[in-house]
Amino acid sequence: GAGVSQSPSNKVTEKGKDVELRCDPISGHTALYWYRQSLGQGLEFLIYFQGNSAPDKSGLPSDRFSAERTGGSVSTLTIQRTQQEDSAVYLCASSLDLYQETQYFGPGTRLLVL
Amino acid sequence: SQQGEEDPQALSIQEGENATMNCSYKTSINNLQWYRQNSGRGLVHLILIRSNEREKHSGRLRVTLDTSKKSSSLLITASRAADTASYFCATPTRAGAQKLVFGQGTRLTINP
Repeated sequence: GAGVSQSPSNKVTEKGKDVELRCDPISGHTALYWYRQSLGQGLEFLIYFQGNSAPDKSGLPSDRFSAERTGGSVSTLTIQRTQQEDSAVYLCASSLDLYQETQYFGPGTRLLVL
Repeated sequence: SQQGEEDPQALSIQEGENATMNCSYKTSINNLQWYRQNSGRGLVHLILIRSNEREKHSGRLRVTLDTSKKSSSLLITASRAADTASYFCATPTRAGAQKLVFGQGTRLTINP
């Protein structure tokens, strides 16, 4: 596709439910990144993938958060047993590879946990 | 940990004026990037300046980097209403691993 796409655009869920956020990177981009943007924390790194491998999971806030990437393309960020503090905009980005510095961001998924 | 901090947090100017935003960071970097965000959604990459560069231009944008002071500035000349957005500086944590660390951003408002 022409750019990074994310779905859904908005998600409202109840506390305790699981949610899945999807990211479709630019075709041919091997590196994929997840960030979270919330009022209190600003923009924070969550996890990155090179191909299907996630060498650095240090940014995931808790073990309720997980992410996977299959086929070197689409990635899914899963939040289990959502909490109100998980409410944020979740942004995905991709780059040609880890050595291309410019990251191209998707429009984000706005998650609201009630 | 390494972090960019922008200054000012908010800036409001008249259309046609120049806008300057500053960013400071804490550790050694190999590049620094500026991004723009409209309406709290996706970020758009504006410009990247490498550690061996002191100044870079792109259209109405001018970025400077002072590695001795660990600071950068973004100048937008002849501002337009469409420049209203939040602007973030970002630095990678180490060469080869492009985990970006973002500052808190400057909210720029251009008044017609």
